[in-house]
Parts: sequence; C-alpha cells; structure tokens
Amino acid sequence: AQKITQTQPGMFVQEKEAVTLDCTYDTSDPSYGLFWYKQPSSGEMIFLIYQGSYDQQNATEGRYSLNFQKARKSANLVISASQLGDSAMYFCAMSNSGGYQKVTFGTGTKLQVIP
Amino acid sequence: EPEVTQTPSHQVTQMGQEVILRCVPISNHLYFYWYRQILGQKVEFLVSFYNNEISEKSEIFDDQFSVERPDGSNFTLKIRSTKLEDSAMYFCASSETDHPRGYTFGSGTRLTVV
Repeated sequence: AQKITQTQPGMFVQEKEAVTLDCTYDTSDPSYGLFWYKQPSSGEMIFLIYQGSYDQQNATEGRYSLNFQKARKSANLVISASQLGDSAMYFCAMSNSGGYQKVTFGTGTKLQVIP
Repeated sequence: EPEVTQTPSHQVTQMGQEVILRCVPISNHLYFYWYRQILGQKVEFLVSFYNNEISEKSEIFDDQFSVERPDGSNFTLKIRSTKLEDSAMYFCASSETDHPRGYTFGSGTRLTVV
C-alpha cells in the first residue's frame, strides 16, 4: 500500500521569499511517480510538477522544483519567489507502476503568502 | 488549452435520491477517473475506466456507485441512493495514456446531500 504524509497543515511565507512544503512517502513498489498539485479556493486541481522514481535529476517547472531524496523517501516542493497567487492548498501525491495508475494523495498543506 | 468539463458545479440532493454527476473528458483521452474530496480532507480515488469498463475501483466505490460512458463524449458517475456522507467534491479526470502525469482534472462538482 502507498502512503503520503504531509506534516504541515498550514504555512506562511512572505511574498518574494522561497518556501518548502514537506512530503514523505512510503511504498513497496520500486517504480513510482510523485506529484504536486495546487488547489486554489475555487476548487480545481492544478498539476504542478512530476518526479519519476528513476529520474536522476530533480524535477523543475518554472518557479517549482521538487527536492527528491529517494533514500529518505521525501519529495519536498520548493516554490521560489512566492507570489500572492500562490496562496492555495498544496497536495503531494504518488502513483505506482501497476494497474491504471491511480493517484494517492496526502492531506495537503495550506500555504498563505503574505504581502 | 483543452479542459475537462464537469456539470453541475454544485448539486444539492435529498438523502436517498439518485444523482448523476457528468463529465466531458478531453476528446482524445482514453482513461477516465473519478476522485472525491470530503470537505477538509484528502482527495480519494474512486474508480478508473478504460475501454468501456472499470479497470480499478476503491473500497469506497460500492454497489451504490456506477460509472458509464453513454456516448463518445460524456463520462458519468451515478450514486443510486445518496447518503449524508456522500457529501463531497467529486473530481473527474482524464488522460491520454495510463500515466497519471497526463491527468487533467475537472473543476469538480460539489455534492451536498441534505
């Protein structure tokens, strides 16, 4: 079984500063994928970034980077130069290599960017 | 940018009533999913659908739930006899391949059972 743990229910960050959202995971599958999604107050789920378990380099997408530490089973999201529009709920998630790739989500971290 | 469309955005129904949540996936996508999010909780997988059949379902997806792709464009989730605990946001997602990197989520339907 897969498990995603997000231990920060809420975070504050000053505008233009960087922030790290923590995520640890547990799985017995050797092949898996890790994701981060953003959920603004409007409710939709927005894909941010993906890291494959065999990817050698950490994933980056614009201001988002995923700090993947396989031995520690962590997949932290780093948002650089925070903007007011980054205020939202952030979910870490993972998929396994089998079946039709369902995604298991963590409980989320609510990020608030302060002007 | 292609998108997954869900209707209605909010539905209120009485306990015991049947409800159908509708989704229009992206046209060239082949894999379809329903997830739900009870208010304040994490998003949970319900069911995946491919080639006109269910490929995987969670323990939440019991006999009260069914999915259908009645035509070439819609993908529906039916709850036969709603319970108060079915109140949640329901997300449809679709992808071109079975890799969830390709998921596109809809904006959700908020179901309120009273």
